[in-house]
Amino acid sequence: AQKVTQAQTEISVVEKEDVTLDCVYETRDTTYYLFWYKQPPSGELVFLIRRNSFDEQNEISGRYSWNFQKSTSSFNFTITASQVVDSAVYFCALSEAQQTGANNLFFGTGTRLTVIP
Amino acid sequence: SAVISQKPSRDICQRGTSLTIQCQVDSQVTMMFWYRQQPGQSLTLIATANQGSEATYESGFVIDKFPISRPNLTFSTLTVSNMSPEDSSIYLCSVAAGVRGSPLHFGNGTRLTVT
Repeated sequence: AQKVTQAQTEISVVEKEDVTLDCVYETRDTTYYLFWYKQPPSGELVFLIRRNSFDEQNEISGRYSWNFQKSTSSFNFTITASQVVDSAVYFCALSEAQQTGANNLFFGTGTRLTVIP
Repeated sequence: SAVISQKPSRDICQRGTSLTIQCQVDSQVTMMFWYRQQPGQSLTLIATANQGSEATYESGFVIDKFPISRPNLTFSTLTVSNMSPEDSSIYLCSVAAGVRGSPLHFGNGTRLTVT
């Protein structure tokens, strides 16, 4: 059975600090997809990144970077030089290739990030 | 990415009544998904709605409580029936961007409060 664990419930950092949000997943599928979403206080869910299980290359997009390690079943998200606008709840999610409901995402419980000015 | 419009954006309803939430997409999509996000919680899939067939419900969700319609490839509705305060949640419509493994894109959600 699939599972996504975000052990950090809440994190507070001071503006300009770096912060890493942890995500650990469980799946029996050999082909799967991992995602990060941002949910700002306004409530909408914003897609940030997708990774498939065959692509362990780390990715950087501006101040955001993602570290995917199959050996530890982790897909961590780092924000460098954090800004107040980064304050949001961040969700890690998993989709399995073999699941009957195509594209269904299983979400972690989220990490609430507060960036203090 | 698809533009997803949900109505209403929020509502306050009385116990025992029903609310129908509409989801309109600006392009044709095969699958639409309805999620629930209870206060301070993560997202849980309620059901998958395919055009031309019955919706597929996840464990813990039943058609009598959450009937879904999917009359065409751009529109779906979710009804929350016989509401109780426990139904107070954000309800989100989502669609897949493409093939299996593609990200889901979400509407802005309907924030429901049941008194």
